[in-house]
Amino acid sequence: EAGVAQSPRYKIIEKRQSVAFWCNPISGHATLYWYQQILGQGPKLLIQFQNNGVVDDSQLPKDRFSAERLKGVDSTLKIQPAKLEDSAVYLCASSLDLTGGMKKLFFGSGTQLSVL
Amino acid sequence: RKEVEQDPGPFNVPEGATVAFNCTYSNSASQSFFWYRQDCRKEPKLLMSVYSSGNEDGRFTAQLNRASQYISLLIRDSKLSDSATYLCVVNSLTGGFKTIFGAGTRLFVKA
Repeated sequence: EAGVAQSPRYKIIEKRQSVAFWCNPISGHATLYWYQQILGQGPKLLIQFQNNGVVDDSQLPKDRFSAERLKGVDSTLKIQPAKLEDSAVYLCASSLDLTGGMKKLFFGSGTQLSVL
Repeated sequence: RKEVEQDPGPFNVPEGATVAFNCTYSNSASQSFFWYRQDCRKEPKLLMSVYSSGNEDGRFTAQLNRASQYISLLIRDSKLSDSATYLCVVNSLTGGFKTIFGAGTRLFVKA
């Protein structure tokens, strides 16, 4: 079974530039997540989609970050303009919605972003 | 207070040792719990779910204490390959279904 696909694997940009990440979840997974993981920290949820609707974007810096999941399948996350503190690994995950509130997340390899 | 808290470690143990990690959570309405493993520069991968009655998978045992709001992971007979960061994950249904990760506990198993 194919896993969660993400691209690009690495990205280096200068501050104030724009960048976009792409994610294709596991087929049939209704829920898609974008996490930001700064070195030495746990993943922090940026946004969660259920099909093509947003479930939680409370920690998304909406002045510079945006995300969409058109047609409820793949998703893009954009940063515009980037800041130095955005340097992190951006992880996409998807999950099946199991009974009893169990959501097992499967992660892509992530995009490592360096903002110079 | 963070929603999910873990001791960051690092835990340095010899091969064959038994090591235990705890994780506390603040939301009493939390519904499901997991341990994920993350190797250096890799994505997190599900290690095991945590059930109320406790569960075991080979050398790994997970337990949940709802009254005290913590979960634990016990690793017996540690292997070099167990060296990784172990992330505690909590699902809560408060204002929508949220999946929150702890910051992780680093484990180094030495020969």
